[in-house]
Amino acid sequence: DTEVTQTPKHLVMGMTNKKSLKCEQHMGHRAMYWYKQKAKKPPELMFVYSYEKLSINESVPSRFSPECPNSSLLNLHLHALQPEDSALYLCASSQERGSPLHFGNGTRLTVT
Amino acid sequence: RKEVEQDPGPFNVPEGATVAFNCTYSNSASQSFFWYRQDCRKEPKLLMSVYSSGNEDGRFTAQLNRASQYISLLIRDSKLSDSATYLCVVNTNAGKSTFGDGTTLTVKP
Repeated sequence: DTEVTQTPKHLVMGMTNKKSLKCEQHMGHRAMYWYKQKAKKPPELMFVYSYEKLSINESVPSRFSPECPNSSLLNLHLHALQPEDSALYLCASSQERGSPLHFGNGTRLTVT
Repeated sequence: RKEVEQDPGPFNVPEGATVAFNCTYSNSASQSFFWYRQDCRKEPKLLMSVYSSGNEDGRFTAQLNRASQYISLLIRDSKLSDSATYLCVVNTNAGKSTFGDGTTLTVKP
């Protein structure tokens, strides 16, 4: 059982839609992450939040907008996505930056 | 050159076999090292942290060689349930985690 909860599990959206992915952890971790994973590839880092502040943005297109409302929550707002953005989006948390990552189950996103 | 390189695999081994995975990294300032396991259509899960002194957890042994910038994972007495993709992860002191491409292991009866 994962201690990082992601919703929704599956999402299908059109290129003009706006949607949000949500992530929650109650382990008291101070770092939270968004990763994108395509089939048969490793997870690719998108964003890192440390103590609720954005510390790393891996040159992610602006159609992906992260938000960290508090230390337990992390959102990823999606707007005007492209079909090639279809992937598994994984949220993770760690005690501090550089500590082992705890992943959520992921949101499987399909952009039509 | 990739920051983290792993054996491409796949590895297909019989039950009971011993199998070793290797990983090299290019950033000499890397601070921490891990092995993760990922089952098909599931999230990665931490298998082991890796230390220079080596560490063992049951049938699994991980080793770090900082001088050669090399990490290894040894699995003894393979079980069917060990079938998965094994991901090597290297962290910089900025807290960025870089994943290797993963090595797929299939253990057959």
